[in-house]
Amino acid sequence: QQQVKQSPQSLIVQKGGISIINCAYENTAFDYFPWYQQFPGKGPALLIAIRPDVSEKKEGRFTISFNKSAKQFSLHIMDSQPGDSATYFCAATGSGTYKYIFGTGTRLKVLA
Amino acid sequence: NAGVTQTPKFQVLKTGQSMTLQCAQDMNHEYMSWYRQDPGMGLRLIHYSVGAGITDQGEVPNGYNVSRSTTEDFPLRLLSAAPSQTSVYFCASIINGLALNTGELFFGEGSRLTVL
Repeated sequence: QQQVKQSPQSLIVQKGGISIINCAYENTAFDYFPWYQQFPGKGPALLIAIRPDVSEKKEGRFTISFNKSAKQFSLHIMDSQPGDSATYFCAATGSGTYKYIFGTGTRLKVLA
Repeated sequence: NAGVTQTPKFQVLKTGQSMTLQCAQDMNHEYMSWYRQDPGMGLRLIHYSVGAGITDQGEVPNGYNVSRSTTEDFPLRLLSAAPSQTSVYFCASIINGLALNTGELFFGEGSRLTVL
């Protein structure tokens, strides 16, 4: 079974702090690694994504770090804000497949 | 442009009843899929379709049927509902199934199903 393991399950961060969520994958055929953000009562929405040809991608306060040899990638949220409070899912998929494998999700709460 | 539209948003069924969750997209996306979301288990793929007339199974297909007669619609049918199917169901689509690995999954807002 192809898996993507995500940790932690929940995270509480003070406003202005750094939130870090980690994911590890098994299948070396995966070549696209997105992060999705989900607010209560809403569907997940793409936040940021990376391919294994780069080790880091940054969009505003959100950064993905990618370690191909360790088969790990992580999401860093800098200067975390209460509006970032949501559930975050990592995912992975590979060329020629139509199946995204999702992590189990991390519930982030940013305290004001 | 409504994106991905799911109906109903909430449904309560009794064990053994059947029902259909509707999904429609107006973005001319080739690839459509159904996921279920359960606490602590993330999003799990039920069924997917890469175009009209073509469907395939995902990770957890048992108890569900799908069909794809048009590009726009991808209904999910529960044949005989069981309490284990209590979940939040999401429909998602991607433009150009053949270039999936460059595509963004667009999710609907979900359908919350309770089976008593």
